[in-house]
Amino acid sequence: SQQGEEDPQALSIQEGENATMNCSYKTSINNLQWYRQNSGRGLVHLILIRSNEREKHSGRLRVTLDTSKKSSSLLITASRAADTASYFCATDAENNDMRFGAGTRLTVKP
Amino acid sequence: DGGITQSPKYLFRKEGQNVTLSCEQNLNHDAMYWYRQDPGQGLRLIYYSQIVNDFQKGDIAEGYSVSREKKESFPLTVTSAQKNPTAFYLCASSFYRGYGYTFGSGTRLTVV
Repeated sequence: SQQGEEDPQALSIQEGENATMNCSYKTSINNLQWYRQNSGRGLVHLILIRSNEREKHSGRLRVTLDTSKKSSSLLITASRAADTASYFCATDAENNDMRFGAGTRLTVKP
Repeated sequence: DGGITQSPKYLFRKEGQNVTLSCEQNLNHDAMYWYRQDPGQGLRLIYYSQIVNDFQKGDIAEGYSVSREKKESFPLTVTSAQKNPTAFYLCASSFYRGYGYTFGSGTRLTVV
């Protein structure tokens, strides 16, 4: 069963705009991770945020975590056509049961 | 270069056949995993192994089998008992469960 649920399911933006994706989950977690998947390929680990952290940055990526609301967001700033991919959140629950959501499909139009 | 290699990239299975998907890593990771991904969906855990000679069932283990005889290798066999095996199969590894997975590039299995 899935733990994280991404929202929206699909997002289409113009190059240069910011893209925001959200993830909600149900149980207490050790950490939350975001992954990217290009069509027909494996997933690539983007960023990990621990349960005691509220915000983390990596290049053009900004992740926030609100454990009181059991939610996280991934912001991609100044998006590029190469950012077109599916983005998944994965939650590492306190029993180390790692769960992936169904993903947000991001399309960045040049 | 360290990484995780899945082979083959594409695999075709006839009805009633067993097929084995290969997964090899040279990252010195202890934990390895197999996931199944169906079109437009997330990943579902088939099996995982946290140490050599030990593995655990995931959410959808029925019709699948694995072995972990070496740290580097975690092959998945899709048996004839798996009634709907057509899917994209992903292998992953990590230093320990729940922390920063590295994924292979996947094997697309089709029943013909």
